[in-house]
Amino acid sequence: GNSVTQMEGPVTLSEEAFLTINCTYTATGYPSLFWYVQYPGEGLQLLLKATKADDKGSNKGFEATYRKETTSFHLEKGSVQVSDSAVYFCALTPKAAGNKLTFGGGTRVLVKP
Amino acid sequence: DGGITQSPKYLFRKEGQNVTLSCEQNLNHDAMYWYRQDPGQGLRLIYYSQIVNDFQKGDIAEGYSVSREKKESFPLTVTSAQKNPTAFYLCASSRVDRGFLDTQYFGPGTRLTVL
Repeated sequence: GNSVTQMEGPVTLSEEAFLTINCTYTATGYPSLFWYVQYPGEGLQLLLKATKADDKGSNKGFEATYRKETTSFHLEKGSVQVSDSAVYFCALTPKAAGNKLTFGGGTRVLVKP
Repeated sequence: DGGITQSPKYLFRKEGQNVTLSCEQNLNHDAMYWYRQDPGQGLRLIYYSQIVNDFQKGDIAEGYSVSREKKESFPLTVTSAQKNPTAFYLCASSRVDRGFLDTQYFGPGTRLTVL
């Protein structure tokens, strides 16, 4: 079946530090990959996505590259801000009929001033 | 503004009572979804619907029911059969592109507390 594995948090950083959140997946074929962000008490917001190998998704200074050879989609940001404190979810959906979204467990990030 | 609305944001109910959570979207999406999130956990799919008057069970459908009478609306009823209903409930919607479920967009969530 399909599965997504994320690094466990919490990840605590200082402002302007470099952030990496690892995400690896298992899926049949080549799924579409997503990162969602959840701020405290809110729903999920789509942060970025990639639909095929070597695609790079980017948004708000965050980037992730679809790596087929390592089945990974690691999220990176070069200089984090306090406002980036949130829970980040990696997810996939296979390109098949009835394809549902499979989520990782989420990684909590705390950025300190 | 296009988007997904869920109401209310906070909901309190007594044990043994059924409760219905509202989800409305004006994105003209065909598919809608309900997820449950427990503290410190990921999301688990309860039900989803790809078209009006049709829906499918997700991974944890027991104790829940849904209806899809209109494209814009997908209400979720948490019944008294649900053993542990206190949780954060998230609704989502997406296009259906050539039979495939497209990118999902989420509402702000409803936090249900059963006393």
